Amino acid sequence: ETGVTQSPTHLIKTRGQQVTLRCSSQSGHNTVSWYQQALGQGPQFIFQYYREEENGRGNFPPRFSGLQFPNYSSELNVNALELDDSALYLCASSSEQGPTGGELFFGEGSRLTVL
Amino acid sequence: GNSVTQMEGPVTLSEEAFLTINCTYTATGYPSLFWYVQYPGEGLQLLLKATKADDKGSNKGFEATYRKETTSFHLEKGSVQVSDSAVYFCALSDRTGTASKLTFGTGTRLQVTL
Repeated sequence: ETGVTQSPTHLIKTRGQQVTLRCSSQSGHNTVSWYQQALGQGPQFIFQYYREEENGRGNFPPRFSGLQFPNYSSELNVNALELDDSALYLCASSSEQGPTGGELFFGEGSRLTVL
Repeated sequence: GNSVTQMEGPVTLSEEAFLTINCTYTATGYPSLFWYVQYPGEGLQLLLKATKADDKGSNKGFEATYRKETTSFHLEKGSVQVSDSAVYFCALSDRTGTASKLTFGTGTRLQVTL
């Protein structure tokens, strides 16, 4: 069974640039969620994709966007990067639309540094 | 909105000591409650969960009981090992739109020494 994989693991961008982060969900999982974890903080929910549609969003501006593909893999795109976007971005997959009753499986994350 | 409050770390214990990490929550309704663990260099892993009041979750010697009357879900282990050194996150299930998501606390770092 292949777990959740994310790429790249580390990247550095400058303010104003755009970034795309990628996630392959665990085999058999149709739901992908993205979380932002700032240094020393708990993860914050960005949004969730289920069957290629965004079905819930946290308190993040529209410059955070995403996609889910037919194979359930997903991308997180962030435009017009700001210094505060520096964080660990976590992808989580599940077989249902979230953690209630089911388990979220997290990848190791993509660490983004914005200079 | 819903929120989770954890005790601040770091918590430093000697091997075989008793561990308690406090977690309280504020929520409407009756969320499920979780403890996740993040070992150095690894992703978050589910440690245990409880889905209703008075449920006890347990795994790898860790336990936590869902206390509705005190809105708490404290994590305990009777005898910690060096390998338990990690960051522990308390979380509750929450809804946004049709999505079910986790709301996390800020995490508590545990360091266990010989």
